[in-house]
Amino acid sequence: AQKVTQAQTEISVVEKEDVTLDCVYETRDTTYYLFWYKQPPSGELVFLIRRNSFDEQNEISGRYSWNFQKSTSSFNFTITASQVVDSAVYFCALSEAWNTGNQFYFGTGTSLTVIP
Amino acid sequence: GAVVSQHPSRVICKSGTSVKIECRSLDFQATTMFWYRQFPKKSLMLMATSNEGSKATYEQGVEKDKFLINHASLTLSTLTVTSAHPEDSSFYICSASSRLRGGVGYEQYFGPGTRLTVT
Repeated sequence: AQKVTQAQTEISVVEKEDVTLDCVYETRDTTYYLFWYKQPPSGELVFLIRRNSFDEQNEISGRYSWNFQKSTSSFNFTITASQVVDSAVYFCALSEAWNTGNQFYFGTGTSLTVIP
Repeated sequence: GAVVSQHPSRVICKSGTSVKIECRSLDFQATTMFWYRQFPKKSLMLMATSNEGSKATYEQGVEKDKFLINHASLTLSTLTVTSAHPEDSSFYICSASSRLRGGVGYEQYFGPGTRLTVT
């Protein structure tokens, strides 16, 4: 079974629009970590956020915000006032902290295109 | 922050040759390193988990004889693609794991990736 689901394969928005990228996860662990990474065309993964399972507070960092809802097993990512530089593939990932070796489970990614 | 490097960043080789990719943790010791493979427009697929001083654990469907992993030190893991073929062309990403401060959980730091093209 897929542990991390990103149902949106591709999204296109016009610059300055807000956009939300969805992430749904599945785990039986009570302690786990959720991540978002940005992958620009260069390929290098850019770390955006880590959230542990005990912290459900929403987080805002500039134009980025994250909504963690344990009740729905979701960890959605919103970009407000999108910019062309936000165009990239975004991955949500899950790490089950007590898993030996600490494997990351990645979603299939959402390709975001911001049209100028 | 922690930095993980990969070398080379790009490599083109002929079919039938072997290619070695290095993954180094530059400012921390990583007891565990991971190797991922990413096809164009696809997600990262874990290939193997590498623990220093022991044999790598390969994911189902990954040929251990084709993708040789060596984790000889706490800062270096290598992936060797043996007898490469065009279907091995891909983007290979390594990551190094370090325990978070406070002792609960781990952080993974990703390398910049290596783009392999086999002609």
